[in-house]
Amino acid sequence: DTGVSQDPRHKITKRGQNVTFRCDPISEHNRLYWYRQTLGQGPEFLTYFQNEAQLEKSRLLSDRFSAERPKGSFSTLEIQRTEQGDSAMYLCASSLWFRGGSGRETQYFGPGTRLLVL
Amino acid sequence: RKEVEQDPGPFNVPEGATVAFNCTYSNSASQSFFWYRQDCRKEPKLLMSVYSSGNEDGRFTAQLNRASQYISLLIRDSKLSDSATYLCVVNMGRAGNNRKLIWGLGTSLAVNP
Repeated sequence: DTGVSQDPRHKITKRGQNVTFRCDPISEHNRLYWYRQTLGQGPEFLTYFQNEAQLEKSRLLSDRFSAERPKGSFSTLEIQRTEQGDSAMYLCASSLWFRGGSGRETQYFGPGTRLLVL
Repeated sequence: RKEVEQDPGPFNVPEGATVAFNCTYSNSASQSFFWYRQDCRKEPKLLMSVYSSGNEDGRFTAQLNRASQYISLLIRDSKLSDSATYLCVVNMGRAGNNRKLIWGLGTSLAVNP
């Protein structure tokens, strides 16, 4: 399968624990995005990378959240000291961006990691 | 005004019906637009990209009206399998300076037998 993959698909944890999610983008894609989605809402942007550089972080991303993409390929999203409000679907998307593309950047999503904090 | 707004829905239509969704956006500099489909508890999947005035793919037609800042999605001869949430997405970036996509809340469609 050459699409975006995420691991794990489901995670149940107790409040206060740390969790880490992984995303493997489509191999030739240089941009990688993290989103959070709760029931009845559209995806909320969290952060994105171009290659290994983290270019933007949402104000939603508190200091308990950290993301990395050390080699410009896979990325990890860590949530420290989880809270019940962190329960959501965490979606990863990747895209191929190039200068002069006039905004023609299409994001392809992974299946998501569903987090439940008890 | 929200950056991207969609019809509230839900839409309940019989099989074979034609249904249209509208989406308005606030930033006149937006360059590209997308419709994604999302099934319950699944990830969004790209349905159509819209870069110029419109795009057609089989039973699906997307139209862009830059003057009025809206995008529409038309589904003809709807099938039971079209039941899903349809998300309007707008790239607010200027050419050569992409930014994150702005997502609408989605419109729920239920096609009934």
